[in-house]
Amino acid sequence: GAGVSQTPSNKVTEKGKYVELRCDPISGHTALYWYRQSLGQGPEFLIYFQGTGAADDSGLPNDRFFAVRPEGSVSTLKIQRTERGDSAVYLCASSLSANTGELFFGEGSRLTVL
Amino acid sequence: AQSVAQPEDQVNVAEGNPLTVKCTYSVSGNPYLFWYVQYPNRGLQFLLKYITGDNLVKGSYGFEAEFNKSQTSFHLKKPSALVSDSALYFCAVRDPTGAGSYQLTFGKGTKLSVIP
Repeated sequence: GAGVSQTPSNKVTEKGKYVELRCDPISGHTALYWYRQSLGQGPEFLIYFQGTGAADDSGLPNDRFFAVRPEGSVSTLKIQRTERGDSAVYLCASSLSANTGELFFGEGSRLTVL
Repeated sequence: AQSVAQPEDQVNVAEGNPLTVKCTYSVSGNPYLFWYVQYPNRGLQFLLKYITGDNLVKGSYGFEAEFNKSQTSFHLKKPSALVSDSALYFCAVRDPTGAGSYQLTFGKGTKLSVIP
């Protein structure tokens, strides 16, 4: 499809497990972002990629969270030793221009940590 | 630090009436301002943005918003509401200068219900 694709759409895991969430941005979009949305809240910034490099990872809550974008297209958000507080919808977005362009969001990956 | 306030958790309006969803912001420099809409089980969709220029910006689906620098507001408006406008609306701000200049800060969202 032409939009941002995120997989899985739903993930249920147990506390302490490792999780990977994948994002496939719109073709040609060099900027890619991860946000996290908790129930009843607006999205919160996690990390921003320009090309292959993480230009701003200041929103990652701790060192259990890590994201990569090795070829400048698909990105993977990795969460180690998951905690119940990590339960949220993880949103990926891409944009053609990081300077003024609007973000195009995927439908999100809902993570539930039991 | 930048922040956004959406003072109303919910706005109810009758179909055909004008609607306003309020947003105020705080940012150190000149802001970039955005409105997004989220329909149930759908991703966030861009509605409109203010970067510079005319304070009144027009966007998708007949929505518009007015940038008011003195009141630090960016309220979303539509002259005539449709039932299909019922959704969750998010205001977002970005400070294009300094650290974190590509981060969007979102408000908590306002649920708009348009009553037939």
